[in-house]
Amino acid sequence: SQQGEEDPQALSIQEGENATMNCSYKTSINNLQWYRQNSGRGLVHLILIRSNEREKHSGRLRVTLDTSKKSSSLLITASRAADTASYFCATVGYSTLTFGKGTMLLVSP
Amino acid sequence: DVKVTQSSRYLVKRTGEKVFLECVQDMDHENMFWYRQDPGLGLRLIYFSYDVKMKEKGDIPEGYSVSREKKERFSLILESASTNQTSMYLCASSPRTGRGGNIQYFGAGTRLSVL
Repeated sequence: SQQGEEDPQALSIQEGENATMNCSYKTSINNLQWYRQNSGRGLVHLILIRSNEREKHSGRLRVTLDTSKKSSSLLITASRAADTASYFCATVGYSTLTFGKGTMLLVSP
Repeated sequence: DVKVTQSSRYLVKRTGEKVFLECVQDMDHENMFWYRQDPGLGLRLIYFSYDVKMKEKGDIPEGYSVSREKKERFSLILESASTNQTSMYLCASSPRTGRGGNIQYFGAGTRLSVL
């Protein structure tokens, strides 16, 4: 399996702080995606970064990609309680995605 | 907005029952997927389909089958439910491979309990 691995498994911060989650993967990729899952719900796509990109921004999200280290990071700036969720990275195969086990983020008011 | 609808949010079934999980998408997507999600194991792909009547096994197809008779509908079938199939089941769809970066759109999930 090409499963990515997120780190840390769980992260607890205060509102206003930044949250950083990391993802490592094993094989070459075309792109890497990050998804969010609120408790007991489906996943929602957040951002996609292509293998020839090093950094991408979307609102309070910043994603980096280092293909030489086979790793990616997701930074959420100025966290809010509503950011509490699990975050997954996904590597892209031909038709399918392979998801990591996720990072559970808790943002306390 | 893409909408992926799973027919049930919660299901309770008995061991040995035949179980149908239904998923419908409204964006004319070619690809559809079924995952199960378990604590500590993440999302694992059961089956996917890239066209009507086509299906491909994922990582854990044993004990499951699928049906795709219409483009918008993808059904997951547990022929004889077992307790180890108690899980959260997630359906997803995506445009044809190579378009849109293979971004997947998920339903809200069905939490299945097999007693």
